[in-house]
Amino acid sequence: NAGVTQTPKFQVLKTGQSMTLQCAQDMNHEYMSWYRQDPGMGLRLIHYSVGAGITDQGEVPNGYNVSRSTTEDFPLRLLSAAPSQTSVYFCASYMGAGELFFGEGSRLTVL
Amino acid sequence: GEDVEQSLFLSVREGDSSVINCTYTDSSSTYLYWYKQEPGAGLQLLTYIFSNMDMKQDQRLTVLLNKKDKHLSLRIADTQTGDSAIYFCAERGSGGGADGLTFGKGTHLIIQP
Repeated sequence: NAGVTQTPKFQVLKTGQSMTLQCAQDMNHEYMSWYRQDPGMGLRLIHYSVGAGITDQGEVPNGYNVSRSTTEDFPLRLLSAAPSQTSVYFCASYMGAGELFFGEGSRLTVL
Repeated sequence: GEDVEQSLFLSVREGDSSVINCTYTDSSSTYLYWYKQEPGAGLQLLTYIFSNMDMKQDQRLTVLLNKKDKHLSLRIADTQTGDSAIYFCAERGSGGGADGLTFGKGTHLIIQP
């Protein structure tokens, strides 16, 4: 099993550009979430999903959109990138209890 | 909302024990976790403890939970250079955890030769 796969691993954007970070899991987990990691800030929850068609906001949702059309995929969209969105983004999938499985991360720089 | 606090840095000598501490505010936490992040990598689960347990041991790792004081610790015995990483404490609340975990800011473990 691949687990949680994130693409791309690295991306550089200009301010105002849009892009989508992809996340796919093959463990048939109900729940998926997106975090961003910034130095000295730990991981902060952006959006999460409890199943196909259901998403909700986390702690820092502004500037990001998500959708969950299938159990496997949970893309994160940046509509108009800003330098403040320079970060490392982690996708995670999990069942109702127990361990979160993380992807390897997507490193985004916004110039 | 819930909060999880950790010291940002811990420095230990190779071969000594490392103790990383964490405090949390959510008294209804069901599970508490320790994740390890090596440079440039994602987070990997080290161990977790259910809230009705006081202690869990797994090889070199010992987790202690004081639920009354909302204090969690991770002890790494015989610390090695490969243990150098960021260690995150995280908790899952009683609401089923649909929104994932609440993470601390992470403790950088620095190993001195």
